[in-house]
Amino acid sequence: TQLLEQSPQFLSIQEGENLTVYCNSSSVFSSLQWYRQEPGEGPVLLVTVVTGGEVKKLKRLTFQFGDARKDSSLHITAAQPGDTGLYLCAGARGTGANNLFFGTGTRLTVIP
Amino acid sequence: GAGVSQSPRYKVAKRGQDVALRCDPISGHVSLFWYQQALGQGPEFLTYFQNEAQLDKSGLPSDRFFAERPEGSVSTLKIQRTQQEDSAVYLCASSLSGDVNEQFFGPGTRLTVL
Repeated sequence: TQLLEQSPQFLSIQEGENLTVYCNSSSVFSSLQWYRQEPGEGPVLLVTVVTGGEVKKLKRLTFQFGDARKDSSLHITAAQPGDTGLYLCAGARGTGANNLFFGTGTRLTVIP
Repeated sequence: GAGVSQSPRYKVAKRGQDVALRCDPISGHVSLFWYQQALGQGPEFLTYFQNEAQLDKSGLPSDRFFAERPEGSVSTLKIQRTQQEDSAVYLCASSLSGDVNEQFFGPGTRLTVL
């Protein structure tokens, strides 16, 4: 059982559409990260959020950390085929944490 | 190279065989992490080293799993008497200071146990 549940598990959209991926937990995290993983590669860090309510933008990607630091969302505007991949959220519990708890993953396919 | 490297990239083992997976972290990185990623799932923590000290091995699924980092650099994850449920991608990550928020991942080793 993983602490972080992501939804949807699979998402297939047309190029140019918008989408939101959710990452939910009943546990509180001191920080939360979003990664993208391509086949045959390790996860690559996109962003880290540490403050409840925090919003970060990275080009067409917008990340939000919930006020209670139990959930997060990733919104992509005008999706492109290059956005295709497995999106993973991951949280650290407490300061000095030495491991991350990963979510179940959302596999995104953007169709040209 | 500048990143984390892992070898072999692919390993096929017969059930009952022992395997050894290698991780070369980024030079100078103090901390090293191992994760197991089953097909279609997110990675799950196995163990953590700070230099040569294994500070957390709470994620190792059984006593068949053993990890070491004798000189505080290269690490080896060993699995004895492999079973089919061990089939997964094994990811290694390193961090300069031990901050979990600054982990750099290797490409992983895909282990298939027949």
